[in-house]
Amino acid sequence: AQKITQTQPGMFVQEKEAVTLDCTYDTSDPSYGLFWYKQPSSGEMIFLIYQGSYDQQNATEGRYSLNFQKARKSANLVISASQLGDSAMYFCAMREGPWMDSNYQLIWGAGTKLIIKP
Amino acid sequence: GAGVSQTPSNKVTEKGKYVELRCDPISGHTALYWYRQSLGQGPEFLIYFQGTGAADDSGLPNDRFFAVRPEGSVSTLKIQRTERGDSAVYLCASSQGTGLNNEQFFGPGTRLTVL
Repeated sequence: AQKITQTQPGMFVQEKEAVTLDCTYDTSDPSYGLFWYKQPSSGEMIFLIYQGSYDQQNATEGRYSLNFQKARKSANLVISASQLGDSAMYFCAMREGPWMDSNYQLIWGAGTKLIIKP
Repeated sequence: GAGVSQTPSNKVTEKGKYVELRCDPISGHTALYWYRQSLGQGPEFLIYFQGTGAADDSGLPNDRFFAVRPEGSVSTLKIQRTERGDSAVYLCASSQGTGLNNEQFFGPGTRLTVL
């Protein structure tokens, strides 16, 4: 079974609009972390934001925020006021905690290709 | 300071040949991860080092793949008898620790093409 599901293979968004990228996850571990990374066409993975399973508040980092709905096992990334430079692949990833005998490897979704239109 | 570096950036080889891919992590980072990313997909875990030892190699697809980190810093991923299906981008990441919130810093990757 897929542990990380990103249902949007691609999205087109008008510049300056907000965009929500979907991510659902599956784990039985009560302790886990959720990450979003951006991968531009240059190929490097750029960390955007992190949410821990026990964090009481949704994470925010500048224009990025994470809409964390624990009961729904959803961790959507929201980008406010999109810019042309936001065009890239976006990956949701999860790291499970010690109860899963994990080495804290990242488990990745298939990604969403975001294209910002001028 | 310098980020994670990987060499070569591109490698083209023929089926059946042996290749080595190098990763130089951020200085002081004890954890090192190798991932493989096929076209249009998310990365897949290959192997994890804590210090010099391979703490988890469960992601290596078969025994043609091997990785070392002899001095706890630079790591080399070795692929024997390459096959066309090995073509992918090989990503290396390092982190200061292995806590849940420890960010993994990624290198630019090595694009391997097996003809």
